[in-house]
Amino acid sequence: GNSVTQMEGPVTLSEEAFLTINCTYTATGYPSLFWYVQYPGEGLQLLLKATKADDKGSNKGFEATYRKETTSFHLEKGSVQVSDSAVYFCALSTFKLGGKLIFGQGTELSVKP
Amino acid sequence: DTGVSQNPRHKITKRGQNVTFRCDPISEHNRLYWYRQTLGQGPEFLTYFQNEAQLEKSRLLSDRFSAERPKGSFSTLEIQRTEQGDSAMYLCASSPKVGDIVNYGYTFGSGTRLTVV
Repeated sequence: GNSVTQMEGPVTLSEEAFLTINCTYTATGYPSLFWYVQYPGEGLQLLLKATKADDKGSNKGFEATYRKETTSFHLEKGSVQVSDSAVYFCALSTFKLGGKLIFGQGTELSVKP
Repeated sequence: DTGVSQNPRHKITKRGQNVTFRCDPISEHNRLYWYRQTLGQGPEFLTYFQNEAQLEKSRLLSDRFSAERPKGSFSTLEIQRTEQGDSAMYLCASSPKVGDIVNYGYTFGSGTRLTVV
């Protein structure tokens, strides 16, 4: 089947610390992988994506590399800011899913000044 | 392009009442998706439309739930005889076609937060 597993939160970091949020997946077929971010009280915003193995998605200083051999898509940022405090969701989609996204449970990030 | 719009943003209702939410997708997007997000969880798929046709419904969508997209533009999600377990954020998303979703993801609205008391 199709599923996404993320590391449990909350993750609490000091400003300028390095961030890693782990994401692994299982998929029937060849998935595209996404990271979405949800700020308090808001909907989900697409943060970055990768559609094939070894692709690196990047946006706003965040990066994630599609690793087919380890079925992973870990999110990283070299220096987090207080404004990065949010919930981060890893997700996958395939053509067979008809456009549905399968989400992980989310990882809450809290960055302290 | 004004994005995906959802109304209302918040709804508080008493148990047993009916509620209806509205989603206005990005214009000319023929695919529209509904998701439900409970506290501390990722969004879960409920149903989707291609134009006015409802093509798939999740097992999560009990017979108290009904969704429509009468003219292939806006969509409504109605919950009858609400229960406390229906309290959640209801999210809507739209996209032109499946290929765009797989390649680019899709755009979500800000959601409707339902609280059943």
